[in-house]
Amino acid sequence: RKEVEQDPGPFNVPEGATVAFNCTYSNSASQSFFWYRQDCRKEPKLLMSVYSSGNEDGRFTAQLNRASQYISLLIRDSKLSDSATYLCVVNDSGGGADGLTFGKGTHLIIQP
Amino acid sequence: DVKVTQSSRYLVKRTGEKVFLECVQDMDHENMFWYRQDPGLGLRLIYFSYDVKMKEKGDIPEGYSVSREKKERFSLILESASTNQTSMYLCASSPRLAPYNEQFFGPGTRLTVL
Repeated sequence: RKEVEQDPGPFNVPEGATVAFNCTYSNSASQSFFWYRQDCRKEPKLLMSVYSSGNEDGRFTAQLNRASQYISLLIRDSKLSDSATYLCVVNDSGGGADGLTFGKGTHLIIQP
Repeated sequence: DVKVTQSSRYLVKRTGEKVFLECVQDMDHENMFWYRQDPGLGLRLIYFSYDVKMKEKGDIPEGYSVSREKKERFSLILESASTNQTSMYLCASSPRLAPYNEQFFGPGTRLTVL
């Protein structure tokens, strides 16, 4: 099975700070990339897709580096409500039903 | 909004019992998935289905079976529950669209096998 690696954390960050974490993937043929967010005792939900050119959604910026095979998530002006586990997800098969590989997640704690 | 529902949020069963976990989605998605999630191990794919009556093994199918008789419903079956099947079970669905196939998850069933 293809590997997706994340630092499990926890990342303890003061409110208002900027935090970034990376995820590496092993399959150079991977086709699409996502960040999911999972709150404690809840289901994962899509936070954002990661495009080759990078993309931004409010305080969140995602970047893809195909040469080094990693994706990153940057959160600016962090809020208490950003506390969650962030899952890196990679699609290996170009849309096939079994193509998504989930990382184990990075636990983020925003402290007041 | 896509809605994926699971039959139970919490379930307690005894070793050896047959267990049915039901999942229903209302967005006419072709693909449906069953995962289990354990601390330190992340999400692991048990089985998936890309059409009615079709099923494929995921990474950890042993001890499980599935049924997809209708497009909207995907059932996970534990033929004889064991304590190592105590876990959070998550169902997901996605449309058959390439290359971006976001998966939508149900709220999960926390199963305890005693």
